[in-house]
Amino acid sequence: AQSVTQLGSHVSVSEGALVLLRCNYSSSVPPYLFWYVQYPNQGLQLLLKYTTGATLVKGINGFEAEFKKSETSFHLTKPSAHMSDAAEYFCAVSGSGNQFYFGTGTSLTVIP
Amino acid sequence: EPEVTQTPSHQVTQMGQEVILRCVPISNHLYFYWYRQILGQKVEFLVSFYNNEISEKSEIFDDQFSVERPDGSNFTLKIRSTKLEDSAMYFCASSQGQAFIEQYFGPGTRLTVT
Repeated sequence: AQSVTQLGSHVSVSEGALVLLRCNYSSSVPPYLFWYVQYPNQGLQLLLKYTTGATLVKGINGFEAEFKKSETSFHLTKPSAHMSDAAEYFCAVSGSGNQFYFGTGTSLTVIP
Repeated sequence: EPEVTQTPSHQVTQMGQEVILRCVPISNHLYFYWYRQILGQKVEFLVSFYNNEISEKSEIFDDQFSVERPDGSNFTLKIRSTKLEDSAMYFCASSQGQAFIEQYFGPGTRLTVT
């Protein structure tokens, strides 16, 4: 079975500061890991994904995440926050079957 | 860029009524899904659909729910007799091939049951 835990339902950062959104997963099979972003009144947009290969994956809008098997983590980072990054971020895992397992989401606020 | 679309964006219905939520997946995708997100909670899987039949469903997807692909483009979720606890955002998703590689999500339909 798979599951995801996102620590921190709300994160606030200053514009230009580092963004760090935490995600830990549990999976009985090699996981596929995803970060999705949801802007107000919009659907879930894929930011980045890890399937196999390089453990540091780069996504859209300057985001990246590193798969750390030993820590069962897939934290999302961005060196410098922008006002347009304010949104809800969801970590998800899949590994077999058809469904994705989502975390509860982290709401990111960027302070000017 | 192709995208998943959903209609309506917001549906208000009375308890006990039937509702149909509609989705148009990306045209060359073969797998289709419904998820829901109750306010303040995580996105939860409901059902997946492939080759005109349900391939997987969760405990949430009971006899009150059904899915259908009535033509070559639409994918629908029907709730036969809505309950207050069905109030949620419902997301449709589709994928081209292996389901666990990537799923593309629609903007969602907010269902409010009064």
